[in-house]
Amino acid sequence: AQKVTQAQTEISVVEKEDVTLDCVYETRDTTYYLFWYKQPPSGELVFLIRRNSFDEQNEISGRYSWNFQKSTSSFNFTITASQVVDSAVYFCALRLANAGGTSYGKLTFGQGTILTVHP
Amino acid sequence: DVKVTQSSRYLVKRTGEKVFLECVQDMDHENMFWYRQDPGLGLRLIYFSYDVKMKEKGDIPEGYSVSREKKERFSLILESASTNQTSMYLCASSLPRTGQGYEQYFGPGTRLTVT
Repeated sequence: AQKVTQAQTEISVVEKEDVTLDCVYETRDTTYYLFWYKQPPSGELVFLIRRNSFDEQNEISGRYSWNFQKSTSSFNFTITASQVVDSAVYFCALRLANAGGTSYGKLTFGQGTILTVHP
Repeated sequence: DVKVTQSSRYLVKRTGEKVFLECVQDMDHENMFWYRQDPGLGLRLIYFSYDVKMKEKGDIPEGYSVSREKKERFSLILESASTNQTSMYLCASSLPRTGQGYEQYFGPGTRLTVT
């Protein structure tokens, strides 16, 4: 069975600080996808990024960057120069690429990290 | 833009009532999902559907059933609501398995309180 662990339950930072959200996953499969979602106070999960297991290249999108390390089964998310609008719950999730049977697109989520950015 | 809508943002029901949560997506997605979200537990899959009238149990299906009569609509049913079903319920949709990497798009959630 798959498992995703986000060890940080809550993080509090002051605006303009950099912050890293940790994500560690477990799977026996060699082909899988990893995701990050943001859940602002409005409640709707917003897709941020998808990574497949064959692509360990780090990615940067504006103030957001992701560090995927297969050797440590980690997919960490860094926000540079945080802003109050970054305050949200962030979820890391895993999906197997070749799930057998009827596991159509099933995502396994971590527990979520509540990020609060203070002005 | 993908749009997933849920019938209610907030719902209060009494123990024993039958509860219907409705979800509609407008992107012709084959896959639809129902999750519940509880503090410290993340999102847990209740049921999913990969086609009209097709459904599969997720990780926590007990006490729930689903219905998918039309492609765009996926309903979650609590046959006899109980207080331990008080939670945030999230619906999602995605393209089918043949697009293996496709992300799921989520609705705004329904916060259900059972008293």
